[in-house]
Amino acid sequence: LAKTTQPISMDSYEGQEVNITCSHNNIATNDYITWYQQFPSQGPRFIIQGYKTKVTNEVASLFIPADRKSSTLSLPRVSLSDTAVYYCLVGERLTGGGNKLTFGTGTQLKVEL
Amino acid sequence: EAEVAQSPRYKITEKSQAVAFWCDPISGHATLYWYRQILGQGPELLVQFQDESVVDDSQLPKDRFSAERLKGVDSTLKIQPAELGDSAMYLCASRRQGVSNTEAFFGQGTRLTVV
Repeated sequence: LAKTTQPISMDSYEGQEVNITCSHNNIATNDYITWYQQFPSQGPRFIIQGYKTKVTNEVASLFIPADRKSSTLSLPRVSLSDTAVYYCLVGERLTGGGNKLTFGTGTQLKVEL
Repeated sequence: EAEVAQSPRYKITEKSQAVAFWCDPISGHATLYWYRQILGQGPELLVQFQDESVVDDSQLPKDRFSAERLKGVDSTLKIQPAELGDSAMYLCASRRQGVSNTEAFFGQGTRLTVV
């Protein structure tokens, strides 16, 4: 079981870059790393996904070292609206098909003025 | 934009009563997940379907919880009887295929309060 470990909370200020690191020492060869964002009273929302090296989209970047035992979500120039819980997930293949999505406790990011 | 639909959004029920939640995934999504999220914690997977088949229900309290996805489309999660500790957000998610490199889409959830 590929478990993930993240910091419980992080604080930042508007305009700063925020980096949240997740460790997943037991990641399997075929597993992708996915990050979700969740606001209070809403379902999680997909942010970014990667397998190795670096992935960038319009909202974030994901850095994955060669050993893939960790990953770092980078949020450039955060704003108050980025205050949310961020989850790092690693896919786990199931015998009957499909991939299990196991959430950890996540990282509560608080952005202040 | 296609969404995962869940109903009801809010439900208050008395303990020992039965309660049911409904989820309509995005069309064409073969994988469907039900999660329970207690306030302040991450979502906990209850059951996962691949089409109409259950592929993981290891965390589902089977003495009181049941889930079905009869035609491989929409799904129902039932609790009978409800207990005070079942108060939580129940989230449904769907995914296009059963592979790890596609994103899962979540519904808005059903907030259950057991009194």
